[in-house]
Amino acid sequence: HLQELGPGLVKPAETVSLTCSVSGGSPVDSYSWGWIRQAPGQGLEWLGSVFVSGTPSYSPSFRGRITISTDTSKNQFSLTLRSVSAADTAVYYCARNLHWNYPLDAFDIWGPGLTVTVSS
Amino acid sequence: EIVLTQSPATLSLSPGETATLSCRASVDFISISWYQQRPGQSPRLLISDTSSRAAGIPVRFSGSASGAEFTLTISGVEPDDFAFYFCQHHQQVCAFGQGTRLEMK
Repeated sequence: HLQELGPGLVKPAETVSLTCSVSGGSPVDSYSWGWIRQAPGQGLEWLGSVFVSGTPSYSPSFRGRITISTDTSKNQFSLTLRSVSAADTAVYYCARNLHWNYPLDAFDIWGPGLTVTVSS
Repeated sequence: EIVLTQSPATLSLSPGETATLSCRASVDFISISWYQQRPGQSPRLLISDTSSRAAGIPVRFSGSASGAEFTLTISGVEPDDFAFYFCQHHQQVCAFGQGTRLEMK
C-alpha cells in the first residue's frame, strides 16, 4: 500500500514537500518508484522517479526545481517541488514500478492521491 | 521527445459493444502501457509491455500494436468500463497520452 502525505495548501513561490509511505511488504530500496500528478480535469503528468539504486530521474519539464529521494529507515520516498505556482495545483500520486529492476516502467501500484492547491 | 497521441478523445458506446482505443507514438520500436481511471480514483494498470494483461485484469481487455500505432480493445464493454483510459511509454522518460473518455451512449 502507498499513501501520499503532505500539505493540502501551499502559497505561491513556496516549496512543497510530499512523502509516500510504503507499507505491505515492499521495501523502498527493492523497487523503483515514481511521482505523477493530475491537474483538475487534465491528464496524467510524470514528474520523476527514483530507481532502486537511489538514483533519481526527472522529467525535463521539472528539472531544476524538483528533488526525489528515498528514506530507507522510514520506508518512504519523497518529492520536493520548489517555487510553486497555481499551475502546480493538482492531485499528486506516488506509484511503484511493475518490475523491481526496471529504472523506468509501468506503474502497477498507486497511492490514493493527495490534492495540493497552490493559492495565497 | 516521444509524443503519444490518443484517439478518439471521446468514444460513445453501449454495453456489450467492442471498444477500440488508439495511441499513436511519434517513434517506432517502443512498448506502451494502458491505464483505466474512474472518476475520483487512482489509475489502474491494465496492460504493460503493449499486450501483457496486468494481474487481475479481465480477458476482455487486450492490447496490440502495429508499428507505432497501439490499440486497446475492450471486447464487450461492461458498465464498469466507462471511464478514462491513458497510454504511457517509459522510453528514457515516462510520458502519458492525453486520454480517451469512454462514455455510455
